[in-house]
Amino acid sequence: AQTVTQSQPEMSVQEAETVTLSCTYDTSESDYYLFWYKQPPSRQMILVIRQEAYKQQNATENRFSVNFQKAAKSFSLKISDSQLGDAAMYFCAYNRDDKIIFGKGTRLHILP
Amino acid sequence: DAGITQSPRHKVTETGTPVTLRCHQTENHRYMYWYRQDPGHGLRLIHYSYGVKDTDKGEVSDGYSVSRSKTEDFLLTLESATSSQTSVYFCAISEWGDYNSPLHFGNGTRLTVT
Repeated sequence: AQTVTQSQPEMSVQEAETVTLSCTYDTSESDYYLFWYKQPPSRQMILVIRQEAYKQQNATENRFSVNFQKAAKSFSLKISDSQLGDAAMYFCAYNRDDKIIFGKGTRLHILP
Repeated sequence: DAGITQSPRHKVTETGTPVTLRCHQTENHRYMYWYRQDPGHGLRLIHYSYGVKDTDKGEVSDGYSVSRSKTEDFLLTLESATSSQTSVYFCAISEWGDYNSPLHFGNGTRLTVT
């Protein structure tokens, strides 16, 4: 069975600094997709970024980028120039065979 | 935003009573999902549907049943609610219905079982 592990339940970062959220996963598949979702206090789930496992290039969306290490089964999210609006729960997710499996989440605090 | 509506938004019910949560989409997407979110557990898949009358279990399906008689509606039923089913329930739909599809979520239903 596939599993997703986020080892940091909570993190804090100073506004305008850079922070990296870690995620590891376990799978025997070679082709799959990985996602990061953001959940602000409004409770709405928002897609931040996604990565296709067969692509070597790391995905980037504005201030958000990933470090995808397929052999190590690692998929970390880097947030550059952190802003107060980035404060949220962040969930790493794995998608294969119609099912999307989520990690337990990392709560990110932004310090002004 | 994808057209997903969950109802009710909040519900308080007593142990042993049946409860049905509704998810309605206007996107005509094939895949629909029910997740529950609990502190320390993230989101866990309860059931999902890949078409009308086609459903399958997720990782925490015990105590829950689902039905999908129309493309746009996916119902989650707790036959006899228990306190352990107190949670926030999210419905989600999948844009392309295959494994490269991100999910689009509803706003969630907060269920309290007393």
